[in-house]
Amino acid sequence: GQQLNQSPQSMFIQEGEDVSMNCTSSSIFNTWLWYKQDPGEGPVLLIALYKAGELTSNGRLTAQFGITRKDSFLNISASIPSDVGIYFCAGHDGGGAQKLVFGQGTRLTINP
Amino acid sequence: DVKVTQSSRYLVKRTGEKVFLECVQDMDHENMFWYRQDPGLGLRLIYFSYDVKMKEKGDIPEGYSVSREKKERFSLILESASTNQTSMYLCASSPPRTSGGGQQYFGPGTRLTVL
Repeated sequence: GQQLNQSPQSMFIQEGEDVSMNCTSSSIFNTWLWYKQDPGEGPVLLIALYKAGELTSNGRLTAQFGITRKDSFLNISASIPSDVGIYFCAGHDGGGAQKLVFGQGTRLTINP
Repeated sequence: DVKVTQSSRYLVKRTGEKVFLECVQDMDHENMFWYRQDPGLGLRLIYFSYDVKMKEKGDIPEGYSVSREKKERFSLILESASTNQTSMYLCASSPPRTSGGGQQYFGPGTRLTVL
């Protein structure tokens, strides 16, 4: 099945640094979603984006729906230890099946 | 809040056993999904269901079957477990398209080990 290109695959940063990750697709999506997965848990929805160009924040997290509708970005400002985990992007093409296409994830590690 | 629960967090089975993984959601969602997650491969869709008794194959249905007899419950069945089915299994549900653009809500996962 189709997968999104998510980068970087992993990040090792210092506490307090800002983080950026992105997802690109060869096809257009109507919705972009960003999830976070803590170790041993299921993914939790962080941000949902529904319009091209949309910029949405959730606390220290900000995500954008690319103008071309083929990409999305997630930024985390002033990282803290609890930000550790795997971040997934997902796209929905607007079809009735409600299936999502997922990126392979960005593993974030923070050095205190 | 949407709550998706899975019957077991950890499960150990032997090769050839029949395995049932249960998932229950409490938000009256029409759509339910089963994924497996393996390192380096991300989330891969096994099966999904958009209504009671309806099912559709995902990207990797081989070796699996599903059952949806009630709206809130979606079961994944491994007819004869094999070692290559050792994985993390995630269930998710989502409301109909008119209520949101594909947002899926995940359960905590079942880590299955087949010996």
